[in-house]
Amino acid sequence: DIQMTQSPSSLSASVGDRVTITCRASQSIDIYLNWYQQKPGRAPKLLIYSASSIQSGVPSRFSGSGSGTDFTLTISSLRPEDFATYYCQQSFSTPYTFGPGTKVDIK
Amino acid sequence: EVQLVESGGGLGQPGGSLRLSCAASGFTFSGHWMHWVRQCPRKGLEWLSRINSDGSRIHYADSVKGRFTISRDNAKKTLFLQMTSLTAEDTAVYYCARDIKGGPTAFDSWGQGTTVTVSS
Repeated sequence: DIQMTQSPSSLSASVGDRVTITCRASQSIDIYLNWYQQKPGRAPKLLIYSASSIQSGVPSRFSGSGSGTDFTLTISSLRPEDFATYYCQQSFSTPYTFGPGTKVDIK
Repeated sequence: EVQLVESGGGLGQPGGSLRLSCAASGFTFSGHWMHWVRQCPRKGLEWLSRINSDGSRIHYADSVKGRFTISRDNAKKTLFLQMTSLTAEDTAVYYCARDIKGGPTAFDSWGQGTTVTVSS
């Protein structure tokens, strides 16, 4: 199975900050990498698919980059509604493993 | 509006069975691959199973292979997960999720989740 790691596991930031979350795969996954946002008590929401394609309806302050084993999710200017947990997921091969998550909370 | 509504969760006995359902609406259900994903309490997300559009291609995570069975009824626009030989480790919120059509796998719509608790 492909193992996914994320860093940091949590971070504190202020509204307006630029936030970057890193995801690493245990082997090359090309660009088969998705990012999800999850708020407490809610289902995950797809933000980015295929490493850098933004899902319809997702604000443009979210962006993704990377290929192979190293990927990043960037929030260009954090808004109050962005405080949540973010997960990466590889869709290169089954089982479609998720990273452990990065919790973004208010500084 | 795309909607996925899970049901069938609840209290299950160790060694027992439960059947989860996911009712789809607002889109052409038969045109999408579908998945089950779970989230254990205060833990991360675990992909469990996928089924293709007509039900002919199925994959499972090792953790549920041989115990869980995914299926679908396209006429009734419903996805199922038959769970057997339950253990405490199966306690989780179970989500059904829709796969993006026509591209690499990504889950673009999710249900609200149904909670399964395995305990005697």
